[in-house]
Amino acid sequence: DQQVKQNSPSLSVQEGRISILNCDYTNSMFDYFLWYKKYPAEGPTFLISISSIKDKNEDGRFTVFLNKSAKHLSLHIVPSQPGDSAVYFCAASASGSSNTGKLIFGQGTTLQVKP
Amino acid sequence: ETGVTQSPTHLIKTRGQQVTLRCSSQSGHNTVSWYQQALGQGPQFIFQYYREEENGRGNFPPRFSGLQFPNYSSELNVNALELDDSALYLCASSLNRKNTEAFFGQGTRLTVV
Repeated sequence: DQQVKQNSPSLSVQEGRISILNCDYTNSMFDYFLWYKKYPAEGPTFLISISSIKDKNEDGRFTVFLNKSAKHLSLHIVPSQPGDSAVYFCAASASGSSNTGKLIFGQGTTLQVKP
Repeated sequence: ETGVTQSPTHLIKTRGQQVTLRCSSQSGHNTVSWYQQALGQGPQFIFQYYREEENGRGNFPPRFSGLQFPNYSSELNVNALELDDSALYLCASSLNRKNTEAFFGQGTRLTVV
């Protein structure tokens, strides 16, 4: 039961253009969402997060949008840079004692930014 | 640099053996979570430790166990290793149990042969 899905295994964009990475979830109890970037041979690096009480959060070139009715979130990177080439993971967590501490990750999307 | 360090970075074990992986959390973080990442998949939650006690567990069998020490460092122990245990094991530390901003180590690549 994949509660967090990233349906695009890969994405290729040109340097300077916008990268849009998508994530869908099924559990309506999720109330916090995070995006991580992972380079080979390194652990995931936290990028940006959003609480379910918001629909947008922005940090520099990175913006996360949350559409609760559609159970969908997206990460926008503008402008894209070659150094952004990595695997991007969407993750979600739910309130409640039984869910405390558990981050549910998607399968990841490999982004390639071409110079 | 996140400050979360894991050891060893790579490990090869034989099926049936036991393994211990170690994690030093970022300074000031009292919460440590462990994840297993199989090839081509996202990390899967194993369990979390908060102030030396297990605070949540994923769908992993009891042969996966852990410890957290007073300095908040942590160990992941796996008994009776199986071939499917081959994966990248990630440790994440955070300031709170909800992992609103969890910082990951570089992982330990475990290969079971």
